[in-house]
Amino acid sequence: AQSVTQPDIHITVSEGASLELRCNYSYGATPYLFWYVQSPGQGLQLLLKYFSGDTLVQGIKGFEAEFKRSQSSFNLRKPSVHWSDAAEYFCAVGARAGANNLFFGTGTRLTVIP
Amino acid sequence: GAVVSQHPSRVICKSGTSVKIECRSLDFQATTMFWYRQFPKQSLMLMATSNEGSKATYEQGVEKDKFLINHASLTLSTLTVTSAHPEDSSFYICSAIYPNQPQHFGDGTRLSIL
Repeated sequence: AQSVTQPDIHITVSEGASLELRCNYSYGATPYLFWYVQSPGQGLQLLLKYFSGDTLVQGIKGFEAEFKRSQSSFNLRKPSVHWSDAAEYFCAVGARAGANNLFFGTGTRLTVIP
Repeated sequence: GAVVSQHPSRVICKSGTSVKIECRSLDFQATTMFWYRQFPKQSLMLMATSNEGSKATYEQGVEKDKFLINHASLTLSTLTVTSAHPEDSSFYICSAIYPNQPQHFGDGTRLSIL
């Protein structure tokens, strides 16, 4: 069965500190992996995606994520967090590049302390 | 800029009212659109998959007669919540895809039924 686990419900970091949001998945086929960010009361914005190739992918806003097949993980990282990064972050897995529904994790809420 | 437009962004109405939410792909023809529901502090739950010119495919537990979906063109899908009740209050988000591209999400509709 497909599932996505985000172990951390809420993370608080200081502005300028590094960030890592964890994501583990269970998927029966080759996974297509995504990270989305959601600001309060708004829809989701795609940060980055992994389909194949280089396992370290770069996204927008200075985010990156690393796909580790052996660990079934796709953790999101940012070297230096900005106050504007405070939001809800969702990891998702899908069957192929552009179709099918996505299976979402429960999200991690990021709070940034000045 | 936004590639998927969702309207309205917020609706407050009386119990028993039917509410229509529109989802438009702005600069591409969306072969498929998805409708999600998000409860407070929770992840997105897929309600239905909408393909242009055909009937929507509903997820288990989603009432077809309650949540009417129409996908009349490649750029527009509508979700109508019929005879809405307070328990239908939620955040509804649509997304649209073009083949082999990630889902693009609308900004969501906050529905409040009094």
